[in-house]
Amino acid sequence: QQQVKQSPQSLIVQKGGISIINCAYENTAFDYFPWYQQFPGKGPALLIAIRPDVSEKKEGRFTISFNKSAKQFSLHIMDSQPGDSATYFCAASTSGTYKYIFGTGTRLKVLA
Amino acid sequence: NAGVTQTPKFRILKIGQSMTLQCTQDMNHNYMYWYRQDPGMGLKLIYYSVGAGITDKGEVPNGYNVSRSTTEDFPLRLELAAPSQTSVYFCASSYSGGKTDTQYFGPGTRLTVL
Repeated sequence: QQQVKQSPQSLIVQKGGISIINCAYENTAFDYFPWYQQFPGKGPALLIAIRPDVSEKKEGRFTISFNKSAKQFSLHIMDSQPGDSATYFCAASTSGTYKYIFGTGTRLKVLA
Repeated sequence: NAGVTQTPKFRILKIGQSMTLQCTQDMNHNYMYWYRQDPGMGLKLIYYSVGAGITDKGEVPNGYNVSRSTTEDFPLRLELAAPSQTSVYFCASSYSGGKTDTQYFGPGTRLTVL
């Protein structure tokens, strides 16, 4: 029940296309959902995050969509660029803990 | 600010050897974390610390030890290296540990145990 399931494992998108990465969870106590971006040879860095009281959050070309009833959330990258090529991790956390449960990651490649 | 720094970047150990992975942050963060990252497995929390002198186990603590004598430093110790500890290790820190507090990650240490 502590798992966060992420899909797909890898994704190839043409430049200018939309990249979509999905995550699902079981634990209804999760109440914070960040997305981290990791470039090769670097540590993960926070990209965008959402709380379950909103259904969507947008920052530039990056949007999180959240479906509380389905216990799913997704990252949409609009107008994908080669510089977006990286590994993306979703995560979930619960009030009162310091711990993130990470998804297994999605390796995104955007073709020029 | 250098942020979170980790040394070494790469290391090869023989089975049974021991080593310490160093982690230092200069952001005056109270909370620090050690994760390991295995292909297709995401990041797993090994140990974390909520302040100097206070540490606790994460999801996968077996085979590791930590200490936190200062706010800045959070070393991870491997006592008897095993092939199963081959992984990329990331140290992270956050200011207050609240769920919305951003965790800042170091660049990682790639460890191979042969």
